[in-house]
Amino acid sequence: QQPVQSPQAVILREGEDAVINCSSSKALYSVHWYRQKHGEAPVFLMILLKGGEQKGHEKISASFNEKKQQSSLYLTASQLSYSGTYFCGTEYSGGYQKVTFGIGTKLQVIP
Amino acid sequence: NAGVMQNPRHLVRRRGQEARLRCSPMKGHSHVYWYRQLPEEGLKFMVYLQKENIIDESGMPKERFSAEFPKEGPSILRIQQVVRGDSAAYFCASSGGTNTEAFFGQGTRLTVV
Repeated sequence: QQPVQSPQAVILREGEDAVINCSSSKALYSVHWYRQKHGEAPVFLMILLKGGEQKGHEKISASFNEKKQQSSLYLTASQLSYSGTYFCGTEYSGGYQKVTFGIGTKLQVIP
Repeated sequence: NAGVMQNPRHLVRRRGQEARLRCSPMKGHSHVYWYRQLPEEGLKFMVYLQKENIIDESGMPKERFSAEFPKEGPSILRIQQVVRGDSAAYFCASSGGTNTEAFFGQGTRLTVV
C-alpha cells in the first residue's frame, strides 16, 4: 500500500520553512526520505526506524510517529537548492527492505 | 568510487521488441531493487533481488517482465514484446543490507515507438 504524502505541491520563497507529511494506513517499520531533481536519480536524505525517533542534518530534519503511522519532513530556511520532488518511502516489516514510495511532493523555492 | 551504474541511459524500442536494462550495484552491495517511474508519478516498486535470488517480485507484471541478478555480472531487467505502456524511466537501487540507505542509479528511459 502506497503511503500518502501532503501537500502535493508547495512553493516557497527563499528562507521560508516547509513541512511535508507522509502517512500510512498500515503499521510502519521504517520511513525513508529521498529528494529527486528533474531528470535525475533520487538522492537519499534519511531513514527513520520505528521508535519515534527524530533525525536531521543541517536544515532538514524529520520525525517519525509510530503510533500515528506517519512521518514529517521539516525544511527550515529553505534554499534554492532544496527545489525538487520529495518522496517518502515506507517499509512495513523488517527483515528485508521493500520500500513503497508515495507519489511525491513537488517543492519549488523561488528567490 | 563508482555509484550505481545503469545502462543504457536511453533506450528506444519498437513495439514487439525486447528491452534489456542493466544495473551494476555499488561495490560491496548485494541487494538490488528495480523501480518504474511514469511522468509526474512516484516510484513504483517492481522487484527486489539478492545475488542469484529473487526475494520479492510482487510489483512485477506477471507476463513479459523478468529480472535476474546473477552471481557474476550486473542485474538485468528484461521486458519482452514491449508495448507503448512500458515507456517509463526504470531506476535501479542498491544497498548493503536492510535498514540502510539505498543508492539509486541515473535510470534508463525507455521509449516504445
